[in-house]
Amino acid sequence: KAGVTQTPRYLIKTRGQQVTLSCSPISGHRSVSWYQQTPGQGLQFLFEYFSETQRNKGNFPGRFSGRQFSNSRSEMNVSTLELGDSALYLCASSWTSNAYEQYFGPGTRLTVT
Amino acid sequence: TQLLEQSPQFLSIQEGENLTVYCNSSSVFSSLQWYRQEPGEGPVLLVTVVTGGEVKKLKRLTFQFGDARKDSSLHITAAQPGDTGLYLCAGWESGGSNYKLTFGKGTLLTVNP
Repeated sequence: KAGVTQTPRYLIKTRGQQVTLSCSPISGHRSVSWYQQTPGQGLQFLFEYFSETQRNKGNFPGRFSGRQFSNSRSEMNVSTLELGDSALYLCASSWTSNAYEQYFGPGTRLTVT
Repeated sequence: TQLLEQSPQFLSIQEGENLTVYCNSSSVFSSLQWYRQEPGEGPVLLVTVVTGGEVKKLKRLTFQFGDARKDSSLHITAAQPGDTGLYLCAGWESGGSNYKLTFGKGTLLTVNP
């Protein structure tokens, strides 16, 4: 069974631009969660999508948004990029919402200059 | 948001040594998880502990959940270079009907041959 895939793996953007990251969950998994990982703050929860609906949200500004498609693939968008948005963005999939077992993808390394 | 403090932040040891890393909170968690993350990869779930006082063993790794479900420890016996990585503890906290995973900042372990 293929694991969680994230594209692209690396991205360099300029302040003020917007970016879209993609996550394909493990086949059969219907929940996708997004996390931001930085050296200073560690891993922080962004949001979770299940059956195309946002089920849970962390404490991030509205510039961070997401969506989920009918095939469970998910995208995350960050608008008006700031230098502090430079981070590793991880998505994790599970078969249902609130499931203990989450499987993480390798992440997208975003650098904002 | 409940906080998880991990200690030590960094640990460098020789192959064959034993070590313990700690995860502490002032809040009660419904369950705690331990993950290992290697460079360029997402975290991989090692164990979930649910019951206060629970001890789980995974080969040379022993995980313990505190009686009050506020703290946990990970003990590695006879560490090997393959154990090198970032060890993260994470607690599930409830926000009504939805749960989210809160991570500690991790312990970066280096095992030297």
